Amino acid sequence: DAGVIQSPRHEVTEMGQEVTLRCKPISGHNSLFWYRQTMMRGLELLIYFNNNVPIDDSGMPEDRFSAKMPNASFSTLKIQPSEPRDSAVYFCASSLTTGTVISGANVLTFGAGSRLTVL
Amino acid sequence: QQPVQSPQAVILREGEDAVINCSSSKALYSVHWYRQKHGEAPVFLMILLKGGEQKGHEKISASFNEKKQQSSLYLTASQLSYSGTYFCGTAPNAGGTSYGKLTFGQGTILTVHP
Repeated sequence: DAGVIQSPRHEVTEMGQEVTLRCKPISGHNSLFWYRQTMMRGLELLIYFNNNVPIDDSGMPEDRFSAKMPNASFSTLKIQPSEPRDSAVYFCASSLTTGTVISGANVLTFGAGSRLTVL
Repeated sequence: QQPVQSPQAVILREGEDAVINCSSSKALYSVHWYRQKHGEAPVFLMILLKGGEQKGHEKISASFNEKKQQSSLYLTASQLSYSGTYFCGTAPNAGGTSYGKLTFGQGTILTVHP
């Protein structure tokens, strides 16, 4: 398996522009998570899906952020309009929530991240 | 609520041991440990569940005290490759399942010198 695939790896945009980050989870995983990492706030959970359904979006900072998971192999995180304070590394992670710990249940596999810079 | 890690940073020489602690104010279902190298994604090290089940790295061990809501990661005979930032992630005791939702600590920076 190629692991969790994120795109783009780097994005530089101007304030006010729309940003779309993409994620392809590991095939067979049934949960998907979007995390944001900054020096000040560390790793923050933004939203997570189970079986393509959003379960908890309480970490989404504000209405400018939205996430979708139209099918089991694709998710997007959209920021519209973007602001300089949105600059961060955005990680997507996936896991399998069924099975035993020994089989790897609930272990997060992270993508390489998307580094967003909003000027 | 974010778990608290200590120490914030550790500097070691190759072969030395280290302990990283993680403490939560909430009852926990599981504790996870991840290591992140600079510019890379966090990578799974250990998972410890309430009740004692665990899965992890062959050279790294950890403990989970359910009553105290604390976990410790033990790095013995450290190697240069152990350098990085270590994060604990906690999942609340939510009826035995939380879909793997984790709240991460602020991280502990480990530097191993030759």
